Amino acid sequence: QTVVTQEPSLTVSPGGTVTLTCASSTGAVTSGYYPNWFQQKPGQAPRSLIYNIDNKYSWTPARFSGSLLGGKAALTLSGVQPEDEAEYYCLLYYGGAQGVFGGGTKLTVL
Amino acid sequence: EVQLVESGGGLVQPGGSLKLSCAASGFTFSASAMHWVRQASGKGLEWVGRIRTKPNNYATTYAASVEGRFTISRDDSRNTVFLQMNSLKTEDAALYYCFKEGDHWGQGTLVSVSS
Repeated sequence: QTVVTQEPSLTVSPGGTVTLTCASSTGAVTSGYYPNWFQQKPGQAPRSLIYNIDNKYSWTPARFSGSLLGGKAALTLSGVQPEDEAEYYCLLYYGGAQGVFGGGTKLTVL
Repeated sequence: EVQLVESGGGLVQPGGSLKLSCAASGFTFSASAMHWVRQASGKGLEWVGRIRTKPNNYATTYAASVEGRFTISRDDSRNTVFLQMNSLKTEDAALYYCFKEGDHWGQGTLVSVSS
């Protein structure tokens, strides 16, 4: 059973910078896992933020960036805003076909 | 504007079946792989499965938890993707979302499994 692991929770101050990570139980995350990042606020559907490691959508704020860091996929928020408080999920694709979500990171802006 | 509207959710007994639909508009549906994702109440997202496009032979892949019980299909003439769920278990109860590979999500349809 493949497991994708994220930090359960993180806290950041407004204006600060925070990095969320996404690790695979199978080993280092590479471009072949096509890492995706999603944001979900309470009572809302998820919203796509990043695809294929570091690609943004037209609606993705510039303060969000994706990367590979130390064998993990990473989502960095620079200049955090209060509205960034949310749950963040990564999604990895195994064999290019089967997806597995991480457990999510609850980001608190305090 | 891209829109994805799920329907077909409801209450079903354990062992029963249900078929969900997701009607798409605002993009070239036939050119997009489509996914189903679910979220149990208070829990995280769980990837359910994906169906690719006609050039990719409408290939499907599923999570291990639903393999053999759930089937994803699509009707490109109706811009609709389906999720046929058989042999439902209580742990299948969740809000089911469809999403266009990589970007847009629907608002979800609720499935409850209880006797």
